Amino acid sequence: DQQVKQNSPSLSVQEGRISILNCDYTNSMFDYFLWYKKYPAEGPTFLISISSIKDKNEDGRFTVFLNKSAKHLSLHIVPSQPGDSAVYFCAASAQGGSEKLVFGKGTKLTVNP
Amino acid sequence: DTEVTQTPKHLVMGMTNKKSLKCEQHMGHRAMYWYKQKAKKPPELMFVYSYEKLSINESVPSRFSPECPNSSLLNLHLHALQPEDSALYLCASKSRQGPHREAFFGQGTRLTVV
Repeated sequence: DQQVKQNSPSLSVQEGRISILNCDYTNSMFDYFLWYKKYPAEGPTFLISISSIKDKNEDGRFTVFLNKSAKHLSLHIVPSQPGDSAVYFCAASAQGGSEKLVFGKGTKLTVNP
Repeated sequence: DTEVTQTPKHLVMGMTNKKSLKCEQHMGHRAMYWYKQKAKKPPELMFVYSYEKLSINESVPSRFSPECPNSSLLNLHLHALQPEDSALYLCASKSRQGPHREAFFGQGTRLTVV
């Protein structure tokens, strides 16, 4: 049973336009959500996070939106740059215990010059 | 400083070998993790250490043996691995305090079992 779902395996956008990556979750105990960026053969790099008490968090070109009622979050990148091309993983954790991260399968973003 | 350092970066080992993967962080994080990632798949949790004690073992075969010598170090001892264990092994650490719950990952060890 996949608790974190990224239904789009890939996304292609033009440089300068907006990239929107989507993520859905099923476990209502999740209360903290994260986005990671990953290049091949490297570890994931933390991008941005959001607590369930918020519905938006912004950091530079990156904004994460959380819709708790729909159990949906999205990552907006604007403007998109060729260097943003990577695999983006959505992850979630529930408070308490060791707070293990549960990852989605990832979306490969390609930003074309 | 959000650095998690893993060594070695690459490792090739035979099925009868014994080797160890090492992970180090100096952020004062008290939760440390081992993940395994196969190509085109998400990271898959193996072990979690919380305050130097093993808190989660995700039913990992005994040929993988974790060790947490102190709050900054995490090892993964490997013995009698199979070719299907070839993967990218990722270490991560996270603070157990404060509002920020981000885990920071190392660059990984690319393991090939021959």
